[in-house]
Amino acid sequence: QVQLVQSGAEVKKPGSSVTVSCKASGGSFRTSSISWVRQAPGQGLEWMGDIIPISSVVNYAQKFQGRVTITADESTNTANIEMRALKSEDTAVIYCASRAMGDGNSKWGQGTLVTVSS
Amino acid sequence: NFVLTQPHSVSESPGKTVTISCTRSSGTIASHYVQWFQQRPGSAPTTVIYDDTQRPSGVPARFSGSIDRSSNSASLTISGLETEDEADYYCQSYHSGTYWVLGGGTKLTVL
Repeated sequence: QVQLVQSGAEVKKPGSSVTVSCKASGGSFRTSSISWVRQAPGQGLEWMGDIIPISSVVNYAQKFQGRVTITADESTNTANIEMRALKSEDTAVIYCASRAMGDGNSKWGQGTLVTVSS
Repeated sequence: NFVLTQPHSVSESPGKTVTISCTRSSGTIASHYVQWFQQRPGSAPTTVIYDDTQRPSGVPARFSGSIDRSSNSASLTISGLETEDEADYYCQSYHSGTYWVLGGGTKLTVL
C-alpha cells in the first residue's frame, strides 16, 4: 500500500520560489506516475503536471509550463515540484498523488499549504 | 482539449440514493477512463472510483461508477447515503491519454 508524505507548510514572498516534496513508501516508485494537483482557497482541484520516474517523462499543464519543474529522485523515492516567480494568487494547498502505471487508483499525499504574502 | 462539467451541488437525505454526473464536452467519454475523488472538508482527496467502475479496497460498495455513451457522461452513484458521505466530489479523465482533466467539483450535502 503506497503512502505519500509531503513536506511542511511554506510561507514565501512574491517573486520567490518554493519546492514541495513528496516521499513515497510501499509500492514501486520507479514504475508509478506521480501527479501534482493544487487547490486554491475555496476552489476546486487543478492539475499541475506529472512525472514517471522510470522514464523521466514529465508532463506539465499548459498553465504552468515554464514556471514549474517536476523532478523525481529514485534513491530516496521522492518527487519534487518547484514553482518560481510566486504570486499571491499561488497561495494554495498542493497535493501529490501516485498511481501505478496502467492503474487509475491514485493515492494522495496529505497536502502542503503554500502561502505567498509580502 | 475538453471540459468535464459537474453540477455545482446536490443534496439528498440519509438512506437515499444520489447520482452525480460528469459530462464530457467533446470527444468520447469512453475513450479514457474516469476517476472520482472524494474530498471531505479540511482533508486531502481520496479515490472512490477508478477506471470508470472500480472501487479501491476500503471503499464501501455503496459507491458505484458508470459511463453512459449516449449522454457522453460518467456518473457516481452513492446509495444508502450516510452523513459521512457529505463532501466535494471531483471527476477526472485524461486528455491525449496523459494530461489530467478535472471536473469543477460537486458539493454533496446529506441533510
